[in-house]
Amino acid sequence: DVKVTQSSRYLVKRTGEKVFLECVQDMDHENMFWYRQDPGLGLRLIYFSYDVKMKEKGDIPEGYSVSREKKERFSLILESASTNQTSMYLCASSSPRAEHNEQFFGPGTRLTVL
Amino acid sequence: RKEVEQDPGPFNVPEGATVAFNCTYSNSASQSFFWYRQDCRKEPKLLMSVYSSGNEDGRFTAQLNRASQYISLLIRDSKLSDSATYLCVVNRWNSGNTPLVFGKGTRLSVIA
Repeated sequence: DVKVTQSSRYLVKRTGEKVFLECVQDMDHENMFWYRQDPGLGLRLIYFSYDVKMKEKGDIPEGYSVSREKKERFSLILESASTNQTSMYLCASSSPRAEHNEQFFGPGTRLTVL
Repeated sequence: RKEVEQDPGPFNVPEGATVAFNCTYSNSASQSFFWYRQDCRKEPKLLMSVYSSGNEDGRFTAQLNRASQYISLLIRDSKLSDSATYLCVVNRWNSGNTPLVFGKGTRLSVIA
């Protein structure tokens, strides 16, 4: 089974702090994604990566950056956390070799910024 | 037109009922289609891919109508455990390896 893990289930940070959210997958997937999910807004794509050291902006990249130094790990960075970044953050991975390119999700990190 | 549009519900149905969800998508070039299920405060999980000819997995049947840009999910003999939010998902561009777009979901409550 595909396993996607995220470093924390719950996180509380203060405004202005630098926040790192880590995601690791064990299925040798090339593609990795970061989303945030908010009530009434659904899942929104922040950043994605198709390969090591490669990154692409999604729909809402402002206030975020990412790092992909190793194939299995994709980190989301909030340079200076703000209260409007309080959300559920979900990491996903997929393989372009799969028949339908379905994505597999980690359990999510619920981030609260005070 | 929104990229992926679903009726948010909630659909409240008794156990044993048949329920159908619909979804429309805006990009006629999309090639990959899925239904995901998301339980409260959990991550989305793949329920089934949707094939051009339609496909069935036990009590679940998915249909695709490319001409109308419409996807459906039918659940027969609903169980209490089917209570969840169902997300319609489409790939963004006309190449297989592209980001997915998620609908906001349709909430289903199956009542005893």
